Amino acid sequence: DQQVKQNSPSLSVQEGRISILNCDYTNSMFDYFLWYKKYPAEGPTFLISISSIKDKNEDGRFTVFLNKSAKHLSLHIVPSQPGDSAVYFCAASARAGGTSYGKLTFGQGTILTVHP
Amino acid sequence: DADVTQTPRNRITKTGKRIMLECSQTKGHDRMYWYRQDPGLGLRLIYYSFDVKDINKGEISDGYSVSRQAQAKFSLSLESAIPNQTALYFCATSDTRQGHYEQYFGPGTRLTVT
Repeated sequence: DQQVKQNSPSLSVQEGRISILNCDYTNSMFDYFLWYKKYPAEGPTFLISISSIKDKNEDGRFTVFLNKSAKHLSLHIVPSQPGDSAVYFCAASARAGGTSYGKLTFGQGTILTVHP
Repeated sequence: DADVTQTPRNRITKTGKRIMLECSQTKGHDRMYWYRQDPGLGLRLIYYSFDVKDINKGEISDGYSVSRQAQAKFSLSLESAIPNQTALYFCATSDTRQGHYEQYFGPGTRLTVT
C-alpha cells in the first residue's frame, strides 16, 4: 500500500514558467513533509520541508503548500530554470509515534524537465 | 570530501553470490538508513539504525542483512543475490539532535545481479 503517491511520473515546463509538483498521502499520522531533488548519478538532496502546523513554507524560488484536509502537498518552483531538471521526491514522516516514527516514506518521484 | 560515502559505486555480480555494500559518514550523525530505488517505485527503506545497538527492519528487508560496525559505518549484505535485487542502493544519515527528519544521502551504488 503506497502511503505517499506522486501520480505524475513526469512534468515538462518552459524556462521562466511555474512548475507545480503534486503529492498525496494516506496516513493521517504523517505530520512532517519534505521534498528531495535528485540528479542522475547522485543521491537525493534535501530541498524544502513543512510541518503540519503550517500550510505554506517558502525558500527562494521554492514554495511548498500543505492541505491537510485533502492530504495533499505541492511544490511550486517559480521561475523554473533548466538546472531544476531532475527527479523530485516527496517524503513524509510521523513525529508523534506509530510505525512511521523516525522514518521517511517516499513517493515514486516526478521527473521534471525544464526546457530553455 | 563527501560527508556520506558508499562503496562500491557500481557492482555486477552473479546470482547466488554474497555481496556487501558499505557506507561511511563523517557527519557525526547517530541515525543511518539503507534504501533501494527502483523505477516507478521511489525509495523504499530496507533497514535503519538509530544508534549502534539499535537496528530495525524496514519495509523490504527480506534477503538483506545489515551491520552497524560503528556510529560512522553501516553495511548492507545480500547473502545470496538474486536478479530482482538489481537496483540503485542509497545509504542515508540523520541526526537526532537536529530533529532527525532531514536525511543526507550518499551517491548510491548501482548493483546488477545477473
